Amino acid sequence: AQKITQTQPGMFVQEKEAVTLDCTYDTSDQSYGLFWYKQPSSGEMIFLIYQGSYDEQNATEGRYSLNFQKARKSANLVISASQLGDSAMYFCAMRDGGGADGLTFGKGTHLIIQP
Amino acid sequence: DADVTQTPRNRITKTGKRIMLECSQTKGHDRMYWYRQDPGLGLRLIYYSFDVKDINKGEISDGYSVSRQAQAKFSLSLESAIPNQTALYFCATSEGTGAQETQYFGPGTRLLVL
Repeated sequence: AQKITQTQPGMFVQEKEAVTLDCTYDTSDQSYGLFWYKQPSSGEMIFLIYQGSYDEQNATEGRYSLNFQKARKSANLVISASQLGDSAMYFCAMRDGGGADGLTFGKGTHLIIQP
Repeated sequence: DADVTQTPRNRITKTGKRIMLECSQTKGHDRMYWYRQDPGLGLRLIYYSFDVKDINKGEISDGYSVSRQAQAKFSLSLESAIPNQTALYFCATSEGTGAQETQYFGPGTRLLVL
């Protein structure tokens, strides 16, 4: 069975600093995908970034990058130059290559950016 | 207009009532999903559908049923609502195949069962 662990329930970060949100995963599949979603206080789920298990390069999307360490089974999200609008819940999720089910989510990290 | 819409956005109902949550999408995706989110938890899969004739149970399907009326519409029903079904419900659609399948979520429906 797949499992996602996010060990940081909450984080406070100063504006303009870089932030790393931790995510470790467990799966027996060789092919899988890792995702990060942002959930602002308004409640919607916003897709941020994707990393495939066979991708050799770390994924990047604007200020977001994914620090993928396959041997350690970690997929940390890095937000560069944090902004007040980055304050939100962040969820790490994964999907296996069989594609039979939906996403498996972690419990999330509540990020608060302080001015 | 939003690609994935959910109605209603908020609903209060009483124990034992039947309620339907609706999801529509204009993204043209075949795959649709229903999740629920409880405070302090991530999302958990209720049901998913790969096309109109393909419906599958997820991790927590007990107490729920679904209907895929068309490629663009996927409804979730609570036949007899109970208080522990109070949650935030999300519909999602996806593109791609296998592990690369990215899911896009609707705005969510907040359901309170009294």
